[in-house]
Amino acid sequence: AQSVTQPDIHITVSEGASLELRCNYSYGATPYLFWYVQSPGQGLQLLLKYFSGDTLVQGIKGFEAEFKRSQSSFNLRKPSVHWSDAAEYFCAVGLGRGGATNKLIFGTGTLLAVQP
Amino acid sequence: ETGVTQSPTHLIKTRGQQVTLRCSSQSGHNTVSWYQQALGQGPQFIFQYYREEENGRGNFPPRFSGLQFPNYSSELNVNALELDDSALYLCASSLGGAGEQFFGPGTRLTVL
Repeated sequence: AQSVTQPDIHITVSEGASLELRCNYSYGATPYLFWYVQSPGQGLQLLLKYFSGDTLVQGIKGFEAEFKRSQSSFNLRKPSVHWSDAAEYFCAVGLGRGGATNKLIFGTGTLLAVQP
Repeated sequence: ETGVTQSPTHLIKTRGQQVTLRCSSQSGHNTVSWYQQALGQGPQFIFQYYREEENGRGNFPPRFSGLQFPNYSSELNVNALELDDSALYLCASSLGGAGEQFFGPGTRLTVL
């Protein structure tokens, strides 16, 4: 069965430090991969996505992620964290290509706290 | 361009009651997906509607049902509410079933 694992439930980093959030997936084919961010009381905002091609993808707010097929991973990175990055981050796999149902399977999320 | 909107923002119901949640899709989008996000969990796919027909369903019982209207807005109906139905319900719209999904702010449902 398809699944997404985010091993880190809660991470605290200092402002200005680098960040890496881990994501591993289980899926039989090459998946569509996404990272979303959710601030308290808000819906989900798409940070970046991978469909095919270059395995290093750039997103909004200075985030990037690298798809590693051999490790079934899609880790999110940012070189310098800002206090406004404090939020919950979700990795997701999109199922269904060619117009089929694009059901998203989400991980359980990583809550990021930023220390001044 | 208007984004995805949901109503109401918050709702309190008692066990056994029925509830209807509403979603207006982003302009130009013809597909709506619904997700349930329990506290401390990631969102779980309930179902998707494409051009007024159900286009995929997750592992939810039949008391979770939906509709999509000709203007592509959508409703999620839940009958015989249970305590475990307490969650944030998210709606996402897209252009086509495989399109990028844009999420609304959600409806917080509390079942007492």
